[in-house]
Amino acid sequence: DSGVTQTPKHLITATGQRVTLRCSPRSGDLSVYWYQQSLDQGLQFLIQYYNGEERAKGNILERFSAQQFPDLHSELNLSSLELGDSALYFCASSVEPAGELFFGEGSRLTVL
Amino acid sequence: AQTVTQSQPEMSVQEAETVTLSCTYDTSESDYYLFWYKQPPSRQMILVIRQEAYKQQNATENRFSVNFQKAAKSFSLKISDSQLGDAAMYFCALEYGNKLVFGAGTILRVKS
Repeated sequence: DSGVTQTPKHLITATGQRVTLRCSPRSGDLSVYWYQQSLDQGLQFLIQYYNGEERAKGNILERFSAQQFPDLHSELNLSSLELGDSALYFCASSVEPAGELFFGEGSRLTVL
Repeated sequence: AQTVTQSQPEMSVQEAETVTLSCTYDTSESDYYLFWYKQPPSRQMILVIRQEAYKQQNATENRFSVNFQKAAKSFSLKISDSQLGDAAMYFCALEYGNKLVFGAGTILRVKS
C-alpha cells in the first residue's frame, strides 16, 4: 500500500460525457502528479501540482483539467470524452517537487 | 527533448538466474534522477530502484542493482536470483525539472 488513494477504481461512461477522478496523496506529500497509461502510448505525464500550484505540464489535452485543493487532494477532470480517452489514470505523490514518486492503484476509465 | 528508450519489449529468465534489462536515455540536463519501476499484473506501480545522476556509485537494493553509465546515457537493471514474483512490466524513467518520463517498458517473464 503506497498511501496514495484514487477513486473511483473503475469507471465506465459514454462518449461526450464528463468525469472526475480523485486522488488523495500520502500524508505529508505536497506534490501530486497525474499520468495516463494507455495500451498504445505507454505512460504519459499529464500534469503536476505542488502545494496547490501547477508546477509542470505534460501532454494534457485541453479537454482535461486538474487542480489541487488546500487539503492537498487533487482532481482530474476529463470532459467531452472520446473512445481514445479509455486508459488507466494514475496519480502519484511525493514530498518534494522532484522526489521519489509513490503511485496510487489507478482509475480505469472505459469510454463506450 | 528528454527521451527514454527500452529496446527490449520482452525478456525471459529462468527462476534463480540473472537477467539484465536495458535502458538508454537522452537529456541535456546535468541534474536528474533515474528510476526503475515495476508494474505487476495488479497494475500497481512500484519503485524498484533509484539513481541520482551526480552519484557515480551504482545503486543497489537487495537482488536489484543498476549499471549506470552517465557518459553513455545508459541505465540497465540487473535482477539476480530471479523469483516468480519478479514477473512484471518494468519501466525505466528519467526525472528532470519536476517531470518523470517513462520508457515503453519491458515485460519480464520468469520461468519455473
